[in-house]
Amino acid sequence: AQSVTQLGSHVSVSEGALVLLRCNYSSSVPPYLFWYVQYPNQGLQLLLKYTSAATLVKGINGFEAEFKKSETSFHLTKPSAHMSDAAEYFCAVRKTTDSWGKLQFGAGTQVVVTP
Amino acid sequence: GAVVSQHPSRVICKSGTSVKIECRSLDFQATTMFWYRQFPKKSLMLMATSNEGSKATYEQGVEKDKFLINHASLTLSTLTVTSAHPEDSSFYICSATILYGGNTEAFFGQGTRLTVV
Repeated sequence: AQSVTQLGSHVSVSEGALVLLRCNYSSSVPPYLFWYVQYPNQGLQLLLKYTSAATLVKGINGFEAEFKKSETSFHLTKPSAHMSDAAEYFCAVRKTTDSWGKLQFGAGTQVVVTP
Repeated sequence: GAVVSQHPSRVICKSGTSVKIECRSLDFQATTMFWYRQFPKKSLMLMATSNEGSKATYEQGVEKDKFLINHASLTLSTLTVTSAHPEDSSFYICSATILYGGNTEAFFGQGTRLTVV
């Protein structure tokens, strides 16, 4: 069985400061990993994904994440927070053998950006 | 880019009535569609997996007779909440996946806020 854990349900950062959102997975085989962002009353938008290629993945809006197998982690970072980054962020995993694309989501982290 | 349209975005219905939510992939044929439910300030809970022309696969604990899923074509899946009750009030999100170049990617609808009064 696989699972994904997001540490911290709520993160507050100052505008211009580093954004760090933590995600750890549990799986017998390293899965594919994803980060999604959700704005209020909207669906999910893909920020970036790891699919067994480069371990450092760059995504949209200046976000990046690094897959670390030894730490079973896939933390999301952004060097400088912008007010528009305030949203809910979800880490998700998918089995590499799942061709349907079934995702399992973490609990989510709410990001608040203060001026 | 791939677009998934979900309709309606908001619906209020009376207790005991049924509500249908549509999920359409506008510019691609979806391999599979998924239905999720999201409670306030909570994560997405997978309800069911839907493939065109076959019965949906429901996750454990999801009532098949309460949440009817029909997948009539490669671009349309519907979720019908039957005999809705206030506890069915939630945010429902669909996703459609496409297989290309050996990769599978999921695209999400904008969600439907269901309020049962």
